[in-house]
Amino acid sequence: AQSVSQHNHHVILSEAASLELGCNYSYGGTVNLFWYVQYPGQHLQLLLKYFSGDPLVKGIKGFEAEFIKSKFSFNLRKPSVQWSDTAEYFCAVTGGQNFVFGPGTRLSVLP
Amino acid sequence: DTAVSQTPKYLVTQMGNDKSIKCEQNLGHDTMYWYKQDSKKFLKIMFSYNNKELIINETVPNRFSPKSPDKAHLNLHINSLELGDSAVYFCASSQGLGNQPQHFGDGTRLSIL
Repeated sequence: AQSVSQHNHHVILSEAASLELGCNYSYGGTVNLFWYVQYPGQHLQLLLKYFSGDPLVKGIKGFEAEFIKSKFSFNLRKPSVQWSDTAEYFCAVTGGQNFVFGPGTRLSVLP
Repeated sequence: DTAVSQTPKYLVTQMGNDKSIKCEQNLGHDTMYWYKQDSKKFLKIMFSYNNKELIINETVPNRFSPKSPDKAHLNLHINSLELGDSAVYFCASSQGLGNQPQHFGDGTRLSIL
């Protein structure tokens, strides 16, 4: 069975700081990888996805993620965060019929 | 137009009551899901339906019964509500099982008094 771990429970940054949120998964087969964002009081929205090809994936709002197969990782990055990036971030992995979410990382950006 | 819509948005009720949450998607997807998000934001899948057939049924009390009258609808009925059922319930849909992005509804915040 798949599992997804996100290293950081809560990350606090100042505006303009760089962001990296960790995501590791365990699954022996081919995976598809996703990052979702949940702004306060809202539903989950897709930030970016990786199916195949270039392991560096660019998403919306200046986010990107890199798939490193050897490390079973799919870390999310943004060079300069804004106050409006304050949200909960979820990594998700699919393999076969299962779609598994990580526990989430809360990002708080201080103005 | 809202792609995945859930009603109601808020639901406040007493322990022991029976309630239903409705979900509809207009994306033409063939797979729908119910998730429970607890107060710590942990997102747990409850059910998954593909073409109206139950595919995933995680360890959920049998007080929870999903019903899919057609591919565009997946309703969740909960009997004998308990305090621990308080959470936000999200409906989602995707095309195919597992490997496509899911589109989420706005959630239903269920509060048990």
